[in-house]
Amino acid sequence: NAGVTQTPKFRILKIGQSMTLQCTQDMNHNYMYWYRQDPGMGLKLIYYSVGAGITDKGEVPNGYNVSRSTTEDFPLRLELAAPSQTSVYFCAVAGGLQETQYFGPGTRLLVL
Amino acid sequence: DQQVKQNSPSLSVQEGRISILNCDYTNSMFDYFLWYKKYPAEGPTFLISISSIKDKNEDGRFTVFLNKSAKHLSLHIVPSQPGDSAVYFCAASLGGGSEKLVFGKGTKLTVNP
Repeated sequence: NAGVTQTPKFRILKIGQSMTLQCTQDMNHNYMYWYRQDPGMGLKLIYYSVGAGITDKGEVPNGYNVSRSTTEDFPLRLELAAPSQTSVYFCAVAGGLQETQYFGPGTRLLVL
Repeated sequence: DQQVKQNSPSLSVQEGRISILNCDYTNSMFDYFLWYKKYPAEGPTFLISISSIKDKNEDGRFTVFLNKSAKHLSLHIVPSQPGDSAVYFCAASLGGGSEKLVFGKGTKLTVNP
């Protein structure tokens, strides 16, 4: 039972490149979230999903896209990477509204 | 506009003493509050929560107090242990069953042996 897994752990991108951050869960939870944490800051919600086929924007969605074709996976896509997207990205899952969110270990992304 | 504020970036206490971490919020529509703990290179882990209908919730060494009139909550850790050294995030959820959490910037707690 791995919980929430994220890949890769660390990645360096050049400006303008694209990549997909993977998030997979084996907890069978419907709610999934993507956050970013910039140095010295709290977590900010990028996108979230309340179930397969349903996604919605969070506080900072610009420059990102998501999809949710299965309960288990919630990939985050970066198109045309920019230095402002240098951050640590966390995926989280929850069983329902106001239920505990369980976080993955994070992906550290550096855009140069 | 920061809706959830943790004004102390860091806090240092001696082992065995009480740690008090503070959090203020501006949105009166928040109805559910949580504390998360984060170790370096790991994701945040849930610690304790409180609903706005309560003013106190206790779980072992951890107690969260909520003062709605002051829009203030605090996390008390008694007794503090070196393993409690981590960054603590306060988070709040909007009413109406919102799926979204708003996080503070965090307070780094160091418990000295």
